[in-house]
Amino acid sequence: KQEVTQIPAALSVPEGENLVLNCSFTDSAIYNLQWFRQDPGKGLTSLLLIQSSQREQTSGRLNASLDKSSGRSTLYIAASQPGDSATYLCAVRSTNAGKSTFGDGTTLTVKP
Amino acid sequence: DGGITQSPKYLFRKEGQNVTLSCEQNLNHDAMYWYRQDPGQGLRLIYYSQIVNDFQKGDIAEGYSVSREKKESFPLTVTSAQKNPTAFYLCASRRQASTDTQYFGPGTRLTVL
Repeated sequence: KQEVTQIPAALSVPEGENLVLNCSFTDSAIYNLQWFRQDPGKGLTSLLLIQSSQREQTSGRLNASLDKSSGRSTLYIAASQPGDSATYLCAVRSTNAGKSTFGDGTTLTVKP
Repeated sequence: DGGITQSPKYLFRKEGQNVTLSCEQNLNHDAMYWYRQDPGQGLRLIYYSQIVNDFQKGDIAEGYSVSREKKESFPLTVTSAQKNPTAFYLCASRRQASTDTQYFGPGTRLTVL
């Protein structure tokens, strides 16, 4: 059974800092890995989707990497802003099912 | 506007009542999903459907039921058998292809009185 872990559970940084969020998974046989953002009381917004054949994806100030062999993904946020404050979740889609397994998320606070 | 809608936004249930949460999508997606989210936790899969008139149990299906009579609709019923139903419920959809993004609705917050 796939298990997904996100560390740290919470992170607080000053505005302008570069930061890295971590996601690890136990079964390397995956279709893809997706990073989401969730604001309080809201649904999830997709940030980046990395296919199993890819090493990284970039969108603006965000860069996500994938290392299947070690069961890890990182989300790099450059020049953080207060508007980046949210909970970030990663989800792993495994090869043997259409469903995804989610981590518990990292809650990010960017202080002005 | 294409997207996923969920209603109601807030729902209150008395002990012993069944309630139904609505999820509709106009994205022409084949697969639809229901997740439950508890405070400070990630999402746990309740049920999913990859095609009309077919659905499978997820990791926490006990006390819940679903139907998929139309491609665009996937309602979730929370029955009285669900012992701790207070949570945030999220519906999602995806095109059937394994490489596609999962899109989420805005969620329904259910509270048991």
